[in-house]
Amino acid sequence: DTAVSQTPKYLVTQMGNDKSIKCEQNLGHDTMYWYKQDSKKFLKIMFSYNNKELIINETVPNRFSPKSPDKAHLNLHINSLELGDSAVYFCASSQQGSDEQFFGPGTRLTVL
Amino acid sequence: AQSVTQLGSHVSVSEGALVLLRCNYSSSVPPYLFWYVQYPNQGLQLLLKYTSAATLVKGINGFEAEFKKSETSFHLTKPSAHMSDAAEYFCAVTSGGGADGLTFGKGTHLIIQP
Repeated sequence: DTAVSQTPKYLVTQMGNDKSIKCEQNLGHDTMYWYKQDSKKFLKIMFSYNNKELIINETVPNRFSPKSPDKAHLNLHINSLELGDSAVYFCASSQQGSDEQFFGPGTRLTVL
Repeated sequence: AQSVTQLGSHVSVSEGALVLLRCNYSSSVPPYLFWYVQYPNQGLQLLLKYTSAATLVKGINGFEAEFKKSETSFHLTKPSAHMSDAAEYFCAVTSGGGADGLTFGKGTHLIIQP
């Protein structure tokens, strides 16, 4: 059984489009995260969210927005896609902020 | 603010040799430290974690790391490298408070020479 799943695995789209990436965890964790991995493999936190608070990395453009319909899901919506948004996006979850995070397989986004 | 520095973007060792991947951290509060491994085109898998218990931490696949507060280090070692260890390794830190996420180092690409 997949612990943290993401869909789609690959996403190719044109500049200016709006797209969403879905994330689901079946671990019963309280906290979920989105990370961006750039072409140099550098990983950076974008958002973290539990049922009490949303923490946004201040460097993330407001074109990116997380949406959590319930505790097991944290989807990522991206408006007006730009070339620089091309990256691999990872979803993760943990029971508490200090615990290990379980990562999804990633979504490779390519903006043309 | 927290930060992680991984010395050496690429490390090459011979099969059977000692693996040493370096990680230094900066944190204003007691840190929680992690090593993750990423195989090509895959997600991240936890190797081991330090959460203020024993300073010598043993992980999966024969890896271990030692937390040294005086040196602000958390280096990853493995006595004998195997070809299957070739991957990207990331050191990460969090304060453990709330949901502030992990701060990652830039990664070290481990190459195993036959």
